[in-house]
Amino acid sequence: GENVEQHPSTLSVQEGDSAVIKCTYSDSASNYFPWYKQELGKRPQLIIDIRSNVGEKKDQRIAVTLNKTAKHFSLHITETQPEDSAVYFCAANSKPGPKGTSYGKLTFGQGTILTVHP
Amino acid sequence: DTAVSQTPKYLVTQMGNDKSIKCEQNLGHDTMYWYKQDSKKFLKIMFSYNNKELIINETVPNRFSPKSPDKAHLNLHINSLELGDSAVYFCASSRGAFNSPLHFGNGTRLTVT
Repeated sequence: GENVEQHPSTLSVQEGDSAVIKCTYSDSASNYFPWYKQELGKRPQLIIDIRSNVGEKKDQRIAVTLNKTAKHFSLHITETQPEDSAVYFCAANSKPGPKGTSYGKLTFGQGTILTVHP
Repeated sequence: DTAVSQTPKYLVTQMGNDKSIKCEQNLGHDTMYWYKQDSKKFLKIMFSYNNKELIINETVPNRFSPKSPDKAHLNLHINSLELGDSAVYFCASSRGAFNSPLHFGNGTRLTVT
């Protein structure tokens, strides 16, 4: 099955700095890689995702890069703000097997606690 | 309107009891999930239903039994609760089973004493 490793587990930056979180995955058939942000006591919410047919995607201060050969993808947050403080999760899918056996699913990384200091 | 709603938000109960958590989505999605988030924040899938059919059943004790009466609802029943069941349980839904965004509910914090 899919194995997703996420680093670092904690990240502390000053307001205005950039933050980078990295993930590796094991299933070479994976083709969908979302990132979720979870604020304290809240639900995880999608912030950006990327599919395997592109290498980079950007949405304002957030960007994600994907290296399929190396099987890793990264989240980049520029000009960080205190409200970016949260737990960030990467995830990767695995394709389904034949009907009746293991279906595809989304496997999450262990999470990164990002703290942005004012 | 909340897209994925689950009840209750908090559940405090004693060991050995049986409890249920309900989930409903109004997004028209065909796939629903239960995830467990432990004290270390790790999100682990438990079950998934696609069009009311169970498609993912991870290594979960059979004290946990999901039920999907229709595409918009996925409930979780837990028998003989144990201390280790204490966690936050998230319901989620998506369009398609493995390659589209998950929409999570607000979670149910289960505390077993």
